[in-house]
Amino acid sequence: GENVEQHPSTLSVQEGDSAVIKCTYSDSASNYFPWYKQELGKRPQLIIDIRSNVGEKKDQRIAVTLNKTAKHFSLHITETQPEDSAVYFCAASLDGAGSYQLTFGKGTKLSVIP
Amino acid sequence: DTAVSQTPKYLVTQMGNDKSIKCEQNLGHDTMYWYKQDSKKFLKIMFSYNNKELIINETVPNRFSPKSPDKAHLNLHINSLELGDSAVYFCASSPGRASGYTFGSGTRLTVV
Repeated sequence: GENVEQHPSTLSVQEGDSAVIKCTYSDSASNYFPWYKQELGKRPQLIIDIRSNVGEKKDQRIAVTLNKTAKHFSLHITETQPEDSAVYFCAASLDGAGSYQLTFGKGTKLSVIP
Repeated sequence: DTAVSQTPKYLVTQMGNDKSIKCEQNLGHDTMYWYKQDSKKFLKIMFSYNNKELIINETVPNRFSPKSPDKAHLNLHINSLELGDSAVYFCASSPGRASGYTFGSGTRLTVV
């Protein structure tokens, strides 16, 4: 089955700096890659996603890049703010018959220091 | 109007008891899931249902039994609770394959 590795497990940045979180996946057939943000005590919420026919996608201060050849994808947050502090999860999925499962990375705890 | 709602939000119970967690979604999604999040925050799939049909049943003790009476509901019943079952259980739904989930608010289960 799919295996998703996520790094780093913790990340501290100064407010205003950029943060980058990286994930690799094992199944070259995977073609959907969402990112979730989970604030303390809350549910994971989808913040951005990318499909394998796209190399990069941006939404305001967040962007995701995908390298299908290397089987890795990254989340970039620019101009970080204290409210960006949370645990971020990457995930991968295969869009195929009988495939309904998102496999998650183990999460990155991002701390933005004011 | 909550899209994916779980009840109860907190559940404290003694070892050996049987408990149920309920989940309902009003998004019209076809697929629903149960995930377990342990103390290290790892999200692990337990079950997936598509239009009331079991699609995924990961290696989960058979003390855990999901039930989907219709595509808007997916309940989780746990028999003979053990200390190691303590975790946050998230229900989620999605419109189909290769699409983002909407998570419920979670049920924090504590077994004492």
